[in-house]
Amino acid sequence: AQTVTQSQPEMSVQEAETVTLSCTYDTSENNYYLFWYKQPPSRQMILVIRQEAYKQQNATENRFSVNFQKAAKSFSLKISDSQLGDTAMYFCAFMISNEKLTFGTGTRLTIIP
Amino acid sequence: DVKVTQSSRYLVKRTGEKVFLECVQDMDHENMFWYRQDPGLGLRLIYFSYDVKMKEKGDIPEGYSVSREKKERFSLILESASTNQTSMYLCASSSRLAGTRDTQYFGPGTRLTVL
Repeated sequence: AQTVTQSQPEMSVQEAETVTLSCTYDTSENNYYLFWYKQPPSRQMILVIRQEAYKQQNATENRFSVNFQKAAKSFSLKISDSQLGDTAMYFCAFMISNEKLTFGTGTRLTIIP
Repeated sequence: DVKVTQSSRYLVKRTGEKVFLECVQDMDHENMFWYRQDPGLGLRLIYFSYDVKMKEKGDIPEGYSVSREKKERFSLILESASTNQTSMYLCASSSRLAGTRDTQYFGPGTRLTVL
């Protein structure tokens, strides 16, 4: 069975600063996908960024980037130039070919004005 | 734009009641999922479906059943609601097309309270 661990239940950072959210996972599979999802307060969960395990290059989406360390089974999310709209719960998630997601317990991120 | 809608945003029910949570997606997605979200536990998969009339148990199916009579609609049923089923319920859908099958799209959630 796959497990996903997010060891930071809550984080806060000043607006415009950079913040890194941690995620580790455990699997015996070699091909899989990793995701970061964002759930703003009282709003819908949306995909922030995805990474395919066979790709060496770290995924980037505007201010969001990941540090994917396959050997260490680590998948951290970096948010640069943080904005008030980045305040949300962030979930790390893992998927193998069966298309089911396994989620971590989430990190509540607060951006302070 | 992918749209996943859920029938109620908030729902209050009594212990022992039969509860239906409805989910509709408008993107012709094959896959549909039901999760429950609890503080400190993240999202846990209850049931999922790869096609009409197909269903598979997820990680926590006890006390729940599902129905998928039409491709766009996936219903979660609590046969006899109990207080420990008070939670946020999220529906999601995804496509089986190669190159897109990994991204799930979520509904707004239904916050269910069982008294």
